[in-house]
Amino acid sequence: AQKITQTQPGMFVQEKEAVTLDCTYDTSDPSYGLFWYKQPSSGEMIFLIYQGSYDQQNATEGRYSLNFQKARKSANLVISASQLGDSAMYFCAMRDPLAGTALIFGKGTTLSVSS
Amino acid sequence: NAGVTQTPKFRVLKTGQSMTLLCAQDMNHEYMYWYRQDPGMGLRLIHYSVGEGTTAKGEVPDGYNVSRLKKQNFLLGLESAAPSQTSVYFCASSYGTRTGAADYGYTFGSGTRLTVV
Repeated sequence: AQKITQTQPGMFVQEKEAVTLDCTYDTSDPSYGLFWYKQPSSGEMIFLIYQGSYDQQNATEGRYSLNFQKARKSANLVISASQLGDSAMYFCAMRDPLAGTALIFGKGTTLSVSS
Repeated sequence: NAGVTQTPKFRVLKTGQSMTLLCAQDMNHEYMYWYRQDPGMGLRLIHYSVGEGTTAKGEVPDGYNVSRLKKQNFLLGLESAAPSQTSVYFCASSYGTRTGAADYGYTFGSGTRLTVV
């Protein structure tokens, strides 16, 4: 069964610094996709970035990049030049093909950015 | 605006009461999902549907029932609410099988905060 593990309950970073949020996964599926979502205090789920298992290059979206290490089964989110507005909960997720392609989520990491 | 709409946004129930949460999407998505979010637990899948008239159990289905009589709607029911069902509930929808990148179009509703006293 698919499993997502986020081992950092909370992370603290200063503005303009880079931060890495860890995510490891477990799957026996040769084809899979990994997602990162941001949940600010207002509660909505905001899609950030996606990495497909067969993608040749690491995904990037603006200040977000995904450090994808397939052999280690890790898909860490890197946020460059942190901003105060980046303070939020961050979730790593993976499609579960056995559940109608529902996303399964890790427990999340709370990121706090200070000035 | 296109998207996923959840009603109600907030609700307080007494133990033993029943209620139905409504999820509606206007993107013609085949698949729909109900999640609950509890502190420190992330989002956990309650039930899901891969098409009109079909439903299936997710990770935490006990105490909930669902129905999908119309493609655009997915209802989550609590027959006899318990304090353990105090949570934030999210509905989501997506396209069916796709190949390639993030084109499943996962879209989340804004959530329903339910308190059972």
